[in-house]
Amino acid sequence: AQKVTQAQTEISVVEKEDVTLDCVYETRDTTYYLFWYKQPPSGELVFLIRRNSFDEQNEISGRYSWNFQKSTSSFNFTITASQVVDSAVYFCALSEADSGYSTLTFGKGTMLLVSP
Amino acid sequence: DTGVSQDPRHKITKRGQNVTFRCDPISEHNRLYWYRQTLGQGPEFLTYFQNEAQLEKSRLLSDRFSAERPKGSFSTLEIQRTEQGDSAMYLCASSLGSPGAPSYEQYFGPGTRLTVT
Repeated sequence: AQKVTQAQTEISVVEKEDVTLDCVYETRDTTYYLFWYKQPPSGELVFLIRRNSFDEQNEISGRYSWNFQKSTSSFNFTITASQVVDSAVYFCALSEADSGYSTLTFGKGTMLLVSP
Repeated sequence: DTGVSQDPRHKITKRGQNVTFRCDPISEHNRLYWYRQTLGQGPEFLTYFQNEAQLEKSRLLSDRFSAERPKGSFSTLEIQRTEQGDSAMYLCASSLGSPGAPSYEQYFGPGTRLTVT
Protein backbone atom coordinates (compact mmCIF):
# COMPACT_ATOMS: atom_id res chain seq x y z
CA ALA A 1 0.00 0.00 0.00
CA GLN A 2 1.20 3.46 -0.82
CA LYS A 3 2.19 5.51 2.14
CA VAL A 4 1.46 8.78 0.39
CA THR A 5 -1.38 8.97 -2.09
CA GLN A 6 -1.98 11.86 -4.41
CA ALA A 7 -5.04 10.71 -6.25
CA GLN A 8 -5.13 13.64 -8.69
CA THR A 9 -2.69 12.93 -11.48
CA GLU A 10 -3.30 16.16 -13.35
CA ILE A 11 -5.39 19.27 -12.73
CA SER A 12 -6.04 22.02 -15.25
CA VAL A 13 -7.37 25.41 -14.19
CA VAL A 14 -7.64 28.85 -15.64
CA GLU A 15 -5.66 31.65 -14.08
CA LYS A 16 -7.24 33.19 -10.94
CA GLU A 17 -9.12 30.03 -10.08
CA ASP A 18 -8.54 28.45 -6.68
CA VAL A 19 -7.24 24.89 -6.70
CA THR A 20 -6.78 22.25 -4.01
CA LEU A 21 -4.27 19.44 -4.27
CA ASP A 22 -5.09 16.40 -2.17
CA CYS A 23 -2.67 14.30 -0.14
CA VAL A 24 -3.57 11.27 1.96
CA TYR A 25 -0.91 9.49 3.97
CA GLU A 26 -0.56 6.28 5.93
CA THR A 27 1.64 5.70 8.95
CA ARG A 28 1.65 3.83 12.23
CA ASP A 29 3.92 6.35 13.87
CA THR A 30 2.45 8.94 16.20
CA THR A 31 5.24 11.35 15.38
CA TYR A 32 5.87 12.17 11.76
CA TYR A 33 6.41 15.06 9.41
CA LEU A 34 4.64 16.02 6.25
CA PHE A 35 6.04 18.10 3.43
CA TRP A 36 5.01 19.68 0.17
CA TYR A 37 7.48 20.26 -2.65
CA LYS A 38 7.04 21.97 -6.01
CA GLN A 39 8.83 20.73 -9.13
CA PRO A 40 8.58 23.29 -11.94
CA PRO A 41 9.46 22.39 -15.53
CA SER A 42 13.10 23.20 -14.80
CA GLY A 43 13.13 20.07 -12.65
CA GLU A 44 14.49 21.26 -9.31
CA LEU A 45 12.36 20.36 -6.29
CA VAL A 46 11.48 23.40 -4.23
CA PHE A 47 10.56 23.05 -0.56
CA LEU A 48 7.21 24.65 0.34
CA ILE A 49 6.25 23.53 3.83
CA ARG A 50 7.09 21.13 6.68
CA ARG A 51 4.49 20.22 9.28
CA ASN A 52 4.78 17.91 12.28
CA SER A 53 2.06 15.55 13.39
CA PHE A 54 1.33 17.46 16.57
CA ASP A 55 0.58 20.71 14.85
CA GLU A 56 -2.82 20.63 13.21
CA GLN A 57 -3.14 24.34 12.77
CA ASN A 58 -3.79 25.36 9.23
CA GLU A 59 -1.10 27.49 7.69
CA ILE A 60 -1.29 30.29 5.19
CA SER A 61 1.60 31.75 3.26
CA GLY A 62 0.54 34.31 0.71
CA ARG A 63 -1.63 32.55 -1.85
CA TYR A 64 -0.74 29.13 -0.42
CA SER A 65 -2.58 27.43 2.41
CA TRP A 66 -2.40 23.98 3.93
CA ASN A 67 -5.09 22.00 5.73
CA PHE A 68 -3.80 19.19 7.98
CA GLN A 69 -6.41 16.80 9.37
CA LYS A 70 -5.14 13.83 11.36
CA SER A 71 -8.62 12.36 11.59
CA THR A 72 -8.64 11.76 7.85
CA SER A 73 -4.85 11.45 7.42
CA SER A 74 -4.87 14.26 4.94
CA PHE A 75 -2.63 17.21 4.27
CA ASN A 76 -4.19 19.20 1.47
CA PHE A 77 -2.69 22.19 -0.30
CA THR A 78 -4.71 25.07 -1.73
CA ILE A 79 -3.51 27.73 -4.12
CA THR A 80 -5.72 30.78 -4.18
CA ALA A 81 -5.99 32.89 -7.32
CA SER A 82 -3.70 30.60 -9.30
CA GLN A 83 -1.14 32.03 -11.68
CA VAL A 84 0.60 30.59 -14.74
CA VAL A 85 3.84 30.43 -12.74
CA ASP A 86 2.15 27.94 -10.42
CA SER A 87 2.24 25.37 -13.21
CA ALA A 88 4.37 22.54 -11.88
CA VAL A 89 4.24 19.08 -10.38
CA TYR A 90 3.51 19.17 -6.68
CA PHE A 91 4.63 16.40 -4.37
CA CYS A 92 3.47 15.53 -0.90
CA ALA A 93 5.97 13.60 1.24
CA LEU A 94 6.13 11.84 4.61
CA SER A 95 9.00 11.42 7.06
CA GLU A 96 8.46 8.91 9.86
CA ALA A 97 10.02 8.19 13.22
CA ASP A 98 10.20 4.52 12.18
CA SER A 99 12.84 5.38 9.60
CA GLY A 100 14.65 7.70 11.98
CA TYR A 101 13.23 10.58 9.99
CA SER A 102 16.01 9.89 7.56
CA THR A 103 13.96 9.51 4.41
CA LEU A 104 11.17 11.19 2.60
CA THR A 105 8.48 8.99 1.08
CA PHE A 106 6.93 10.87 -1.80
CA GLY A 107 3.58 10.54 -3.49
CA LYS A 108 3.43 10.28 -7.26
CA GLY A 109 2.73 13.96 -7.61
CA THR A 110 -0.03 16.09 -9.07
CA MET A 111 0.67 18.04 -12.22
CA LEU A 112 -0.99 21.45 -12.12
CA LEU A 113 -1.50 23.29 -15.38
CA VAL A 114 -2.61 26.89 -15.09
CA SER A 115 -3.61 28.47 -18.37
CA PRO A 116 -3.93 32.22 -18.99
CA ASP B 1 25.02 30.27 -5.34
CA THR B 2 24.81 28.46 -1.98
CA GLY B 3 22.33 25.75 -2.94
CA VAL B 4 22.89 22.08 -3.64
CA SER B 5 24.82 21.51 -6.85
CA GLN B 6 25.14 18.40 -8.95
CA ASP B 7 27.48 17.47 -11.75
CA PRO B 8 27.00 16.57 -14.52
CA ARG B 9 23.48 17.73 -15.27
CA HIS B 10 23.10 15.23 -18.08
CA LYS B 11 24.88 12.00 -18.84
CA ILE B 12 24.39 9.67 -21.77
CA THR B 13 26.17 6.36 -21.56
CA LYS B 14 26.14 3.00 -23.22
CA ARG B 15 24.89 -0.04 -21.42
CA GLY B 16 27.66 -1.69 -19.45
CA GLN B 17 29.65 1.47 -18.82
CA ASN B 18 30.31 2.91 -15.38
CA VAL B 19 29.17 6.39 -14.45
CA THR B 20 29.85 8.63 -11.48
CA PHE B 21 27.84 11.62 -10.30
CA ARG B 22 28.88 14.28 -7.84
CA CYS B 23 26.82 16.24 -5.34
CA ASP B 24 27.92 19.28 -3.36
CA PRO B 25 25.49 19.97 -0.49
CA ILE B 26 24.74 23.23 1.25
CA SER B 27 27.92 23.81 3.24
CA GLU B 28 26.52 23.71 6.77
CA HIS B 29 24.32 20.67 6.16
CA ASN B 30 25.50 17.45 7.76
CA ARG B 31 23.00 15.15 6.06
CA LEU B 32 23.14 14.23 2.42
CA TYR B 33 20.61 12.11 0.52
CA TRP B 34 20.39 10.46 -2.88
CA TYR B 35 17.07 9.84 -4.61
CA ARG B 36 16.09 8.49 -8.00
CA GLN B 37 13.15 9.82 -9.98
CA THR B 38 11.66 8.21 -13.07
CA LEU B 39 9.15 9.81 -15.38
CA GLY B 40 5.78 10.38 -13.80
CA GLN B 41 6.90 9.25 -10.36
CA GLY B 42 7.95 10.90 -7.17
CA PRO B 43 11.55 10.67 -6.01
CA GLU B 44 12.51 7.37 -4.42
CA PHE B 45 15.04 7.22 -1.61
CA LEU B 46 18.34 5.49 -2.34
CA THR B 47 20.70 6.27 0.51
CA TYR B 48 21.72 8.88 3.02
CA PHE B 49 24.77 10.07 4.94
CA GLN B 50 25.11 11.63 8.34
CA ASN B 51 28.43 13.44 7.92
CA GLU B 52 30.70 10.82 6.32
CA ALA B 53 28.78 7.79 7.60
CA GLN B 54 26.36 6.06 5.24
CA LEU B 55 23.53 5.24 7.64
CA GLU B 56 20.84 3.80 5.42
CA LYS B 57 20.49 2.19 2.02
CA SER B 58 17.31 1.37 0.18
CA ARG B 59 16.66 -2.02 -1.37
CA LEU B 60 16.64 -0.09 -4.65
CA LEU B 61 20.37 0.34 -4.26
CA SER B 62 21.69 -2.81 -5.90
CA ASP B 63 25.30 -3.90 -5.52
CA ARG B 64 26.09 -2.08 -8.77
CA PHE B 65 25.51 1.19 -6.94
CA SER B 66 27.93 2.69 -4.49
CA ALA B 67 27.92 6.04 -2.76
CA GLU B 68 30.58 7.80 -0.76
CA ARG B 69 30.97 10.96 1.22
CA PRO B 70 34.61 10.77 2.17
CA LYS B 71 35.08 13.93 4.19
CA GLY B 72 31.51 14.64 5.10
CA SER B 73 31.24 17.26 2.42
CA PHE B 74 30.60 16.34 -1.23
CA SER B 75 29.32 12.93 -2.23
CA THR B 76 29.65 10.69 -5.25
CA LEU B 77 27.24 8.09 -6.57
CA GLU B 78 28.71 5.48 -8.89
CA ILE B 79 26.77 3.04 -11.02
CA GLN B 80 28.73 0.14 -12.43
CA ARG B 81 27.75 -1.85 -15.50
CA THR B 82 24.83 0.43 -16.26
CA GLU B 83 21.56 -1.03 -17.52
CA GLN B 84 18.77 0.63 -19.46
CA GLY B 85 16.62 0.43 -16.35
CA ASP B 86 19.05 2.79 -14.62
CA SER B 87 17.88 5.64 -16.85
CA ALA B 88 16.40 8.20 -14.49
CA MET B 89 16.98 11.53 -12.80
CA TYR B 90 19.33 11.18 -9.84
CA LEU B 91 18.63 13.78 -7.20
CA CYS B 92 20.78 14.84 -4.32
CA ALA B 93 19.45 16.65 -1.27
CA SER B 94 20.91 17.96 1.95
CA SER B 95 19.62 19.00 5.35
CA LEU B 96 20.56 19.54 8.93
CA GLY B 97 19.81 16.74 11.38
CA SER B 98 21.05 14.49 14.17
CA PRO B 99 20.81 10.67 14.28
CA GLY B 100 17.29 9.69 15.21
CA ALA B 101 16.13 13.24 15.45
CA PRO B 102 13.67 14.79 13.05
CA SER B 103 15.43 16.25 10.10
CA TYR B 104 14.83 19.68 8.90
CA GLU B 105 13.55 20.15 5.40
CA GLN B 106 15.65 18.68 2.62
CA TYR B 107 16.93 20.98 -0.08
CA PHE B 108 17.33 19.42 -3.49
CA GLY B 109 19.83 19.94 -6.26
CA PRO B 110 18.91 20.20 -9.95
CA GLY B 111 19.57 16.51 -10.54
CA THR B 112 21.63 14.49 -13.00
CA ARG B 113 19.63 13.01 -15.83
CA LEU B 114 21.09 9.65 -16.86
CA THR B 115 20.24 8.05 -20.16
CA VAL B 116 21.54 4.56 -20.79
CA THR B 117 21.45 3.54 -24.46
